[in-house]
Amino acid sequence: DAKTTQPPSMDCAEGRAANLPCNHSTISGNEYVYWYRQIHSQGPQYIIHGLKNNETNEMASLIITEDRKSSTLILPHATLRDTAVYYCIVRVVEYGNKLVFGAGTILRVKS
Amino acid sequence: GAVVSQHPSRVICKSGTSVKIECRSLDFQATTMFWYRQFPKQSLMLMATSNEGSKATYEQGVEKDKFLINHASLTLSTLTVTSAHPEDSSFYICSAREGEKTQYFGPGTRLLVL
Repeated sequence: DAKTTQPPSMDCAEGRAANLPCNHSTISGNEYVYWYRQIHSQGPQYIIHGLKNNETNEMASLIITEDRKSSTLILPHATLRDTAVYYCIVRVVEYGNKLVFGAGTILRVKS
Repeated sequence: GAVVSQHPSRVICKSGTSVKIECRSLDFQATTMFWYRQFPKQSLMLMATSNEGSKATYEQGVEKDKFLINHASLTLSTLTVTSAHPEDSSFYICSAREGEKTQYFGPGTRLLVL
């Protein structure tokens, strides 16, 4: 699976949009982009995933560039509860394939 | 999303004893289950992958005789840490997936070996 690069940390004001970038320049055509987050002392929580089209759900939006070499996770109105480590992972969707976690981005939402 | 549970959430044991951690998928059939370990201030590290009814596949450097994994049904996997030592103290997290669908994670089990 392709490697991803994320900034180690970011700050965001409460109520504002949080935009978390991820570079995956070596992504291949059949690899999806997944986003998870881990709040302190809990298991990772699935947020969203996509292949090439932008995706939106009740938690966030995922914007993937046309060349698929980078993406941005958008939390439209960040709250203090969104403070967590956010992981961007690329993965081929096939039986038995595994998620490998990098260092992620620590997002601190401040009031 | 789908729900994965783990039990116990915390366990303290004496050095040399064995500890079993259970992982259950509550509302889907987990054809594949994964076990991760996370040390303080580090990311998750995959330990092993198991498919229902098959032997687990361990990642490089993970001792299969020390970390026994059983995935006997489509809703249950267990991780047994045998002869635990203080260096095994960590946060153990299971994860489950149905086929090629999204992978979901349990809440984790914090193990402290004294």
